[in-house]
Amino acid sequence: GQQVMQIPQYQHVQEGEDFTTYCNSSTTLSNIQWYKQRPGGHPVFLIQLVKSGEVKKQKRLTFQFGEAKKNSSLHITATQTTDVGTYFCAGNTNAGKSTFGDGTTLTVKP
Amino acid sequence: NAGVTQTPKFQVLKTGQSMTLQCAQDMNHNSMYWYRQDPGMGLRLIYYSASEGTTDKGEVPNGYNVSRLNKREFSLRLESAAPSQTSVYFCASRLRDRLNTEAFFGQGTRLTVV
Repeated sequence: GQQVMQIPQYQHVQEGEDFTTYCNSSTTLSNIQWYKQRPGGHPVFLIQLVKSGEVKKQKRLTFQFGEAKKNSSLHITATQTTDVGTYFCAGNTNAGKSTFGDGTTLTVKP
Repeated sequence: NAGVTQTPKFQVLKTGQSMTLQCAQDMNHNSMYWYRQDPGMGLRLIYYSASEGTTDKGEVPNGYNVSRLNKREFSLRLESAAPSQTSVYFCASRLRDRLNTEAFFGQGTRLTVV
């Protein structure tokens, strides 16, 4: 079945450093969604990428969708303590299958 | 606008007990979902309801049953709780079961089975 691998599982950074999490799917995706879950909270939708090679930005966050539509990345520039949490990707296929990655947990040291 | 509301927020059960987790959404969404989240793991789909009147199994349905009571409400039942069902349970909804719409999650139910 469809598998979505997300790396790294954990990332500890100093405030101000950059952070990147990667998402890789075993199958071609129709779109990919990214969610953020704060500690003790629930996942909250960040963005959706649909087109091959698409790049979207939200302030310090940059999201990319690979040319083959099988991988994606989320990059945060100059992390802040408000960025802490777990970032999940959710890969969605044309067959109607949605699979969440295991998430990358980001901690930021002030 | 409450979004997705789950009750209860916390629950402790003894092995073999039964309980129902409630979920309601006020966004007029067609599709609703139940996930479980275990430490260090992603969200695994238990059951979903693409529209009122339909339910389907997800990845990990064993030990659970669901009811789509009406368009707003989707409940998850544990008939005989087991320690392996200790987890955080999230209900989610989407406007429709096309996966190009965002999912809205409830606050979660933290369940411990002893």
